[in-house]
Amino acid sequence: NAGVMQNPRHLVRRRGQEARLRCSPMKGHSHVYWYRQLPEEGLKFMVYLQKENIIDESGMPKERFSAEFPKEGPSILRIQQVVRGDSAAYFCASSRQGASTDTQYFGPGTRLTVL
Amino acid sequence: QKEVEQDPGPLSVPEGAIVSLNCTYSNSAFQYFMWYRQYSRKGPELLMYTYSSGNKEDGRFTAQVDKSSKYISLFIRDSQPSDSATYLCAMRWGGGSQGNLIFGKGTKLSVKP
Repeated sequence: NAGVMQNPRHLVRRRGQEARLRCSPMKGHSHVYWYRQLPEEGLKFMVYLQKENIIDESGMPKERFSAEFPKEGPSILRIQQVVRGDSAAYFCASSRQGASTDTQYFGPGTRLTVL
Repeated sequence: QKEVEQDPGPLSVPEGAIVSLNCTYSNSAFQYFMWYRQYSRKGPELLMYTYSSGNKEDGRFTAQVDKSSKYISLFIRDSQPSDSATYLCAMRWGGGSQGNLIFGKGTKLSVKP
């Protein structure tokens, strides 16, 4: 019974390049959440998606960041033209439903380093 | 004022001690309260989940919620070196499709053998 899977676990990019982070939710889960954890900071919500729909993107930076969760395949968090300030751990969580009572299970994270 | 305040520590205790971890919050709309444990360079792992005010116990862990004071606590009895980790409190609104969790910064705990 695999948990939430994220890849790559570590990603190094130079300034101006694109970063693509992937998240496969737990089996049976159709809700995905992305969070960012900056050094010495707590996790900050970025975006909440269902299959083929963005439900809440209130935590996403207005530029350069986008997310999708297609009908088939993993959810993707895409960061265009990365800058040093994007260096962080990015965590994906999934839940079976989107209800407030639903538990979110987290993946191991992708650690992005921007040189 | 931040929505969720949590003392980052670090907190160092001897093995066997009772550990008390706390968070305060400002938004009275929060209904669901969680504690996650995060080992170094790993993802958060759910420890406790409580709804509204009250206590919940699971083994060595007890979670308390006091909504009137906007204060939540996690107690760890008979602490072990394997409990050394960062503990994150999290909370969310009730109802609707509000999916996101609001986290505290986390308290780093070290249990010395």
